[in-house]
Amino acid sequence: GAVVSQHPSWVICKSGTSVKIECRSLDFQATTMFWYRQFPKQSLMLMATSNEGSKATYEQGVEKDKFLINHASLTLSTLTVTSAHPEDSSFYICSARGGRAGNEQFFGPGTRLTVL
Amino acid sequence: QKEVEQDPGPLSVPEGAIVSLNCTYSNSAFQYFMWYRQYSRKGPELLMYTYSSGNKEDGRFTAQVDKSSKYISLFIRDSQPSDSATYLCAWNAGGTSYGKLTFGQGTILTVHP
Repeated sequence: GAVVSQHPSWVICKSGTSVKIECRSLDFQATTMFWYRQFPKQSLMLMATSNEGSKATYEQGVEKDKFLINHASLTLSTLTVTSAHPEDSSFYICSARGGRAGNEQFFGPGTRLTVL
Repeated sequence: QKEVEQDPGPLSVPEGAIVSLNCTYSNSAFQYFMWYRQYSRKGPELLMYTYSSGNKEDGRFTAQVDKSSKYISLFIRDSQPSDSATYLCAWNAGGTSYGKLTFGQGTILTVHP
């Protein structure tokens, strides 16, 4: 199957700082990338859908000014958590589809964010 | 009413047992049905994908869909300790919403030797 990577895998930051998370499709061109958030013992909740070269579409209740998404190329999308607070601590997972991967979504390994 | 309800578990079974995992949904727009497996602190991986009512088999895994009852199941035969993970059912509405997955709450499965 297609491979999606995320970096970093784990990040700890101080409250008020910003954190950038990268999502890369390694062996296919992803026309669409999705960002999910998963709290402990809970399911994945879609935050936003990102198409290459256009603005992301955010789900209801997700603050677009707090969670900045950039999908500048067919292999890279970034999620920036601005002015992070402890309640933003979560597991952030991206997925990608498109190109030779077709309509199936392939998930990255996730990034664990801890805000102190 | 939640769009997706998944048996919460957790489930603990002995090695070799048959496991049944179940989800129900309320949104008639859901057209595509998936089961994902997620190991601790990892991203989900796709196990089964189907869009029609009936059974679909892949090795030890069988996905069953009943659109009239809005019910899907995943059966695991001859379960192994390596099957221990969280299993997530997921749906996709298709059309303009294609690609937007709605996940169930997940069922934690433990297969003990």
